[in-house]
Amino acid sequence: EDQVTQSPEALRLQEGESSSLNCSYTVSGLRGLFWYRQDPGKGPEFLFTLYSAGEEKEKERLKATLTKKESFLHITAPKPEDSATYLCAAGGDDKIIFGKGTRLHILP
Amino acid sequence: NAGVTQTPKFQVLKTGQSMTLQCAQDMNHEYMSWYRQDPGMGLRLIHYSVGAGITDQGEVPNGYNVSRSTTEDFPLRLLSAAPSQTSVYFCASSSGQGRDTQYFGPGTRLTVL
Repeated sequence: EDQVTQSPEALRLQEGESSSLNCSYTVSGLRGLFWYRQDPGKGPEFLFTLYSAGEEKEKERLKATLTKKESFLHITAPKPEDSATYLCAAGGDDKIIFGKGTRLHILP
Repeated sequence: NAGVTQTPKFQVLKTGQSMTLQCAQDMNHEYMSWYRQDPGMGLRLIHYSVGAGITDQGEVPNGYNVSRSTTEDFPLRLLSAAPSQTSVYFCASSSGQGRDTQYFGPGTRLTVL
């Protein structure tokens, strides 16, 4: 069965404390792995798309990486404004499956 | 370029009432979809469309209807609202399926009493 699992469900970090969010997927014929940021009361905002194992993409304090079974979102020296829910989604041949997200809270 | 727009932002219905959630995109995307987001459940696909005149069911289609008469618009209709349909609804669009990035609207928060 195709599925996407994100861990941890929630994460509290001190400002400047780097960490990683995990997205494990089992999707036949992966065509794209997507990361989104969602702030309370808003729609998901696109961050990255990864297409093949070994690919990496960066944006400010965020870096996304992809292997054949999982993706990581690395957050380096986070700031309070990085607090949000981060969603991962895996796109297959005819569907996109979303994980339940990781709620990230950065303490000042 | 407004991207994906949704109206209304908030709505309260009584059980049995009907309503239409509006969604429009100005990116000339062929693929549009409707999701609902509930606490602890993540985003679940309700219906999707791969182009004007073509729609199909997603994971949780019961109680919802859609149509796609133009590339730009993809309304979601609740025929007889039930408390179980209390949720936040998101519309999304993309160039295609699987490989292409989906762009989301701001959402509609629906409460059914």
